[in-house]
Amino acid sequence: DIVMTQSPVTLSVSPGERATLSCRASQSISDNLAWYQQKPGQAPRLLIKHASTRATGIPARFSGSGSGTEFTLTISSLQSEDFAVYYCQQYSGWPLTFGGGTMVEIK
Amino acid sequence: EVQLVESGGGLVQPGGSQRLSCAASGFTFDENAMHWVRQVPGKGLEWVSGIGWNSVKIDYADSVKGRFTISRDNIDNSLHLQMNSLRPEDTAFYYCARGEGMASLKSPLDYWGQGILVTVSS
Repeated sequence: DIVMTQSPVTLSVSPGERATLSCRASQSISDNLAWYQQKPGQAPRLLIKHASTRATGIPARFSGSGSGTEFTLTISSLQSEDFAVYYCQQYSGWPLTFGGGTMVEIK
Repeated sequence: EVQLVESGGGLVQPGGSQRLSCAASGFTFDENAMHWVRQVPGKGLEWVSGIGWNSVKIDYADSVKGRFTISRDNIDNSLHLQMNSLRPEDTAFYYCARGEGMASLKSPLDYWGQGILVTVSS
């Protein structure tokens, strides 16, 4: 299985600041990577697919980059509604696998 | 508007069975693969099973293979997960999710249901 490792586990950020989240794959997955946001008590929501394509309705402050084994999700200016847990997921290999998540909390 | 609504969760004893369903609306159901993903409360996400648009492609996580069966009904736009020989470690929220692709199960999951809790305990 392809192992997805996210860092940091917790990220403390002030509103208006930039947040940078990392995701590493145990082997190359090309750009077959998605990012999801999950708020407490809610289902995950797709933010980014194909490593850098925003999903429908996702604000431009969310951006994704990377390919191969190293990926980054950047939130350019954190809004109050962005404090949540973020997961990466690869869909290059089988089975589909998720990272352990990064919690973005208010500093 | 795409909607996915799970049902069938609840408390079940170890070794027992449970059938989850997911009612889909707001899109052409037979144009997408569908998946089940689970999440132990307070923990991360685990893909459980996926099924292609015409039920030809089906796969399972090793942790549930031989115990869970995924199926779909393209007439009434529903997805199902038959769970047998349930174990305490199967306790989780189960989410129905739509795959972006039609046939391939290797895709992002672009819409998710609200999730339903299955608790396996005596």
